[in-house]
Amino acid sequence: ETGVTQSPTHLIKTRGQQVTLRCSSQSGHNTVSWYQQALGQGPQFIFQYYREEENGRGNFPPRFSGLQFPNYSSELNVNALELDDSALYLCASSHGTSNPDTQYFGPGTRLTVL
Amino acid sequence: AQSVTQLDSHVSVSEGTPVLLRCNYSSSYSPSLFWYVQHPNKGLQLLLKYTSAATLVKGINGFEAEFKKSETSFHLTKPSAHMSDAAEYFCVVGTNTGNQFYFGTGTSLTVIP
Repeated sequence: ETGVTQSPTHLIKTRGQQVTLRCSSQSGHNTVSWYQQALGQGPQFIFQYYREEENGRGNFPPRFSGLQFPNYSSELNVNALELDDSALYLCASSHGTSNPDTQYFGPGTRLTVL
Repeated sequence: AQSVTQLDSHVSVSEGTPVLLRCNYSSSYSPSLFWYVQHPNKGLQLLLKYTSAATLVKGINGFEAEFKKSETSFHLTKPSAHMSDAAEYFCVVGTNTGNQFYFGTGTSLTVIP
């Protein structure tokens, strides 16, 4: 059973650019959640995808968008990057959404915006 | 609205002494509550979760937490700290629909040899 993987591990972008981060969910999991963790802070929920549909969203602007594919892998896209978008982006997969479930987290992608 | 407050940003204990990490929650309905641990340069790992079954929840590595509705608390404890317990700990509340999770700001645990 493979765990949650994320790519790339590190990324440097400049303000105004766009970025795509990728996540492969754990085998058998159909739900993916994305989080932003700024330095010294707890993760902040961005959104969740369940069976290719957005299933919940935190307090993030529309320039944060996502996709989930038929194999349940997922992408996080951020447009018009701002300096404050510099953070560790975490992906978590789980199975089912009828109840809060056990999430398995990936190692994260460290995004630096200059 | 749901939120959690971790009452201590830093906790230091001596090896072999008890650990107490405090968390208070706010929820409009019966919450699901979790504790996660994050070791440096490693991913978040679930320690334990409460989902309206027994109020005393046992987790991995000797940790446990007690859900106290009257106090809106979900404190994490361990009888005897080990050096390997040094890490960042997060208390998390989830919605009853399972589609949103709210993390606390974290408690950094230092274990002194």
